[in-house]
Amino acid sequence: NAGVTQTPKFQVLKTGQSMTLQCAQDMNHEYMSWYRQDPGMGLRLIHYSVGAGITDQGEVPNGYNVSRSTTEDFPLRLLSAAPSQTSVYFCASSRRVAGLARNTQYFGPGTRLTVL
Amino acid sequence: SQQGEEDPQALSIQEGENATMNCSYKTSINNLQWYRQNSGRGLVHLILIRSNEREKHSGRLRVTLDTSKKSSSLLITASRAADTASYFCATGGEETSGSRLTFGEGTQLTVNP
Repeated sequence: NAGVTQTPKFQVLKTGQSMTLQCAQDMNHEYMSWYRQDPGMGLRLIHYSVGAGITDQGEVPNGYNVSRSTTEDFPLRLLSAAPSQTSVYFCASSRRVAGLARNTQYFGPGTRLTVL
Repeated sequence: SQQGEEDPQALSIQEGENATMNCSYKTSINNLQWYRQNSGRGLVHLILIRSNEREKHSGRLRVTLDTSKKSSSLLITASRAADTASYFCATGGEETSGSRLTFGEGTQLTVNP
């Protein structure tokens, strides 16, 4: 299994441009999430999905859109890039298991985004 | 806002020594997890401890959880240079929100050869 893959690895945008960060997993995980990590900080949840067709907002959703048309893919769209969105973006997936929560998350390698 | 807060923010030790990192959180949890992040890489899951557990071991890792104090500690014994990384605690809520982990700001561990 490839696990969680993200593309691109690096991206430079100009203010106002839009783009889509791709995330895919081949583990048939129900849950997928997007986080951003800023220097010296932990991860902050942007959006998440508990299954195909279902998405919800996390802690910092403004300026981002997501969709989940398939179990495998969970793209993150930046509608109009701003310098404040310069960050490292991580996608993660996890499996739903009946009973106690076993939401160990598997992370992709990240996308480093710079907005000028 | 961040749920977990790690302490210390940075820790530098010699190879062979033990490293202890602490995490405090604010609300009730279902489980607490520890992750490692090597520089420039994604996070890797280390260990999960459920709210009804007090201690858990995995290799050189030992995690404790005190729900009355809303705190956890991660002990790495006999540290190696390869343990140099940032370590994050993350708290998980209900099963229905299984995607939602809240991360602390991390402890940067440096193990000197």
